[in-house]
Amino acid sequence: DQQVKQNSPSLSVQEGRISILNCDYTNSMFDYFLWYKKYPAEGPTFLISISSIKDKNEDGRFTVFLNKSAKHLSLHIVPSQPGDSAVYFCAAKRGYQKVTFGTGTKLQVIP
Amino acid sequence: KAGVTQTPRYLIKTRGQQVTLSCSPISGHRSVSWYQQTPGQGLQFLFEYFSETQRNKGNFPGRFSGRQFSNSRSEMNVSTLELGDSALYLCASSLRQDRGRYEQYFGPGTRLTVT
Repeated sequence: DQQVKQNSPSLSVQEGRISILNCDYTNSMFDYFLWYKKYPAEGPTFLISISSIKDKNEDGRFTVFLNKSAKHLSLHIVPSQPGDSAVYFCAAKRGYQKVTFGTGTKLQVIP
Repeated sequence: KAGVTQTPRYLIKTRGQQVTLSCSPISGHRSVSWYQQTPGQGLQFLFEYFSETQRNKGNFPGRFSGRQFSNSRSEMNVSTLELGDSALYLCASSLRQDRGRYEQYFGPGTRLTVT
């Protein structure tokens, strides 16, 4: 049962434009959501998180939006840079249960 | 603030041997999780420790075990190594902060090769 889904396996964006990565979830009991960036053969790098009691969180070029009624969250990267090219994972957590990861979206930022 | 540290970074072992990997979490973080990362299976959850107690466990055989010490440092042990245990083993430390924030940071990993 895939509780966290990233339906787009890949995304290409021009440098300087906005990258929007999407994530859907099925468990309405999740209370934290996280986004990670991952390069090949390396571990994930934490980017930003959001609590279920909020609908937006910003950190520099990264903004996460949460729509609880739609069970949907998105990560906006503005402006996109070539160094942002990586696989992005969304993840979710309920209480003291383990973090559940999505399948990832590969972002390519074209110079 | 120092990040999550893992030792050793690289390890080569022979099938049948055992191995112990170490993880030091970010100062103040009391939760430590372990993951196995392989090209074929991706990131798979092994277990999580909080205040020296295993709080969550993944679907791995009993050859994989762990523990956490009073200073939150954690070790992971794999006994009777198999070729399929070759992977990048990642440790992550997390903190549930005030005002509804939760963050989990990964270490650089230990790359284990079993021959």
